[in-house]
Amino acid sequence: SAELTQESSLSVALGQTVSITCQGGSLRDYFTSWYQQRPGQAPVLVIYGTKRRPSGIPDRFSGSSVGGIVSLTISAAQVEDEAEYFCSSRDKSGNSVLFGGGTKLTVL
Amino acid sequence: QVQLEESGGGLVKAGGSLRLACAASGFVFRESYMAWVRQAAGKGLECISYISGNGEVVYYRDSVKGRFSISRDNTNDSVFLEGNDLSVEDTAIYYCATVRWEGGVSFDSWGQGIVVNVSS
Repeated sequence: SAELTQESSLSVALGQTVSITCQGGSLRDYFTSWYQQRPGQAPVLVIYGTKRRPSGIPDRFSGSSVGGIVSLTISAAQVEDEAEYFCSSRDKSGNSVLFGGGTKLTVL
Repeated sequence: QVQLEESGGGLVKAGGSLRLACAASGFVFRESYMAWVRQAAGKGLECISYISGNGEVVYYRDSVKGRFSISRDNTNDSVFLEGNDLSVEDTAIYYCATVRWEGGVSFDSWGQGIVVNVSS
């Protein structure tokens, strides 16, 4: 598949844990990255290499991969985590960079 | 501290052209791949082009291949995107980003974005 599929929206209660998934045929072959985008702002890299966290990103953000389904998990969600999250990886050929459609996360 | 600042956007008529620039600072520019990622209003992200540090490797998304051209000036730490034969589908915020190749490919620093609005 040339697409990455994510939930369109999710909600999480303040302080609880939520997982956002990303599915696509290329994910078994390539690493995944995740981006957080707050309204009116540029995206911010929160996970790269499927599981690695850039410096400065809180450790409540974690990434995992099981059976070709990649997940971004936010533990103890905070108000400031309310944003849209995009996954990204290469396509099957390895030539193109794909993004998922985005998941709008609401923190209740 | 990495800083990326885009310029050159604005209103363009369909069939016209654009030239975007991104001024970089805070890192070793000549050693870094650079990318342009765009986002139409209310839509997702789309990597349309990237270029290697020495300019020898370039990539274009199919939707812009033959119409857009990426280049860089390592003397002045800038990367450029030129586009021709623009259509309304090219209307978007265009972001300049650094490319990280460690652990796959990712975009680890982003500019604030510049708006390109193509009118029919």
